[in-house]
Amino acid sequence: DAGITQSPRYKITETGRQVTLMCHQTWSHSYMFWYRQDLGHGLRLIYYSAAADITDKGEVPDGYVVSRSKTENFPLTLESATRSQTSVYFCASSSPARPEAFFGQGTRLTVV
Amino acid sequence: EDQVTQSPEALRLQEGESSSLNCSYTVSGLRGLFWYRQDPGKGPEFLFTLYSAGEEKEKERLKATLTKKESFLHITAPKPEDSATYLCAVQPYGGATNKLIFGTGTLLAVQP
Repeated sequence: DAGITQSPRYKITETGRQVTLMCHQTWSHSYMFWYRQDLGHGLRLIYYSAAADITDKGEVPDGYVVSRSKTENFPLTLESATRSQTSVYFCASSSPARPEAFFGQGTRLTVV
Repeated sequence: EDQVTQSPEALRLQEGESSSLNCSYTVSGLRGLFWYRQDPGKGPEFLFTLYSAGEEKEKERLKATLTKKESFLHITAPKPEDSATYLCAVQPYGGATNKLIFGTGTLLAVQP
C-alpha cells in the first residue's frame, strides 16, 4: 500500500543500547523528517533530509544519527539510548510541490 | 524566533455546541500554515493548508481561517467523533527544507 510506514510500532530498550527506528515511504517524496512528541512540548524536529544523501539537524538532534542512502528510507539511530529519549517518534515526508507533511503511525520507544 | 502558540490547551464541548480553536504564530515570513488532527496512538492527519491572510478552507464541520497573526479552526455543531487533538504548524520562508514548526495542540472532547 502507498504511504509512509514506521517500524517497530513499540520498542523497549535498555539505557546505553543502540536502537534504530525505521521509516519507509512509497510516494518518492524528496523531503523526510523525524519528530519526537512529548507531553508539554508538542512535536519537535530531530533531523530532516531534503534528498538522498542530504541530511541536516533540527531542533533536538543530540544523541541521534540519521542516514538516507535511498529516497524512500530514512532510519533514525539512537547511538546510546538514554531515559530522556523515551518518547513517541514520528516520521513524515513531503514534496516540494505540496508543503504539507504526511506522517507515519509512530514508534513508541521506552528506554529503561 | 519562529513560534506557534495554541489555545486553549483543552476544550470540552457538548455535541452541537460550536466553538473555535486559536493558533497564534510569530514567523519571519509565512510560507504556509497547516492544521492537523491527531487521534490517540496515531500520527497527525493533514486537514488544511492556508497560505495568505483572508484565506479560508472548509471540510465537513471544520473551517480554518487565517490572518497575519493567527489562525482559527472553527468547529460547527461538533459530534463525538470530532474528539481529537488538533495541531497547528507553520512553515517559514527561507531555505529549501519544508520544515514545519508545531504548536502543542488543543485537546478537544465532544460529549454526546
